[in-house]
Amino acid sequence: DVQLVESGGGLVKPGGSLRLSCAASGFFFSNYSMNWVRQAPGKGLEWVSSISSNSNYKYYADSVKGRFTISRDNAKNSLFLQMNSLRAEDTAVYFCAKSRLFDYWGQGTVLTVSS
Amino acid sequence: EIVLTQSPATLSLSPGERATLSCRASQSVSTYLSWFQQKPGQAPRLLIYNASNRAPDIPARFSGSGSGTDFTLTISSLEPEDFAIYYCQQRSNWPPTFGQGTKVEIK
Repeated sequence: DVQLVESGGGLVKPGGSLRLSCAASGFFFSNYSMNWVRQAPGKGLEWVSSISSNSNYKYYADSVKGRFTISRDNAKNSLFLQMNSLRAEDTAVYFCAKSRLFDYWGQGTVLTVSS
Repeated sequence: EIVLTQSPATLSLSPGERATLSCRASQSVSTYLSWFQQKPGQAPRLLIYNASNRAPDIPARFSGSGSGTDFTLTISSLEPEDFAIYYCQQRSNWPPTFGQGTKVEIK
């Protein structure tokens, strides 16, 4: 079965940094693009970033461009999101999702940015 | 970016009734349109991709239709577990975008 497990969330002060991880299993991780999607409290879904299977292509939402960096380690079946210069409006549940179809999602990890 | 507008915002129906949810795109997305279901405290689940293809293990009561700018998700007969929020999403153009969601609630 496909499984995606996010980790690394927590409470961070504005201006701080955090690195999220997503551990993948049950499929050939290196064959698929991967995505990060976030959901602010009580709000809808917002795409954050995507990375191609071989890391050649990386895409970012304008709201995070220049502050967040997506990466992956195909040898370790892992996806990452390095988040710098965090703002209160980055507070959300962060989900990783598999492939261009977003066909499988993890349960999410919570990021709270507050002083 | 392509804006997806879902209607209605809330749909109040009883179990057994038919649900019809709409998603309209600000420009053509061909058939690169997906539907997701999200229950409280859970991750979204892919229901429909490419406008009309059911994802694996999705019951046949869920169906999608449309192309271009107008799309519909139909639940033929609501089961108790179908009361949730539904989002459409396009992947025709970068960035991928989501609609604001339609909440299907028990009447």
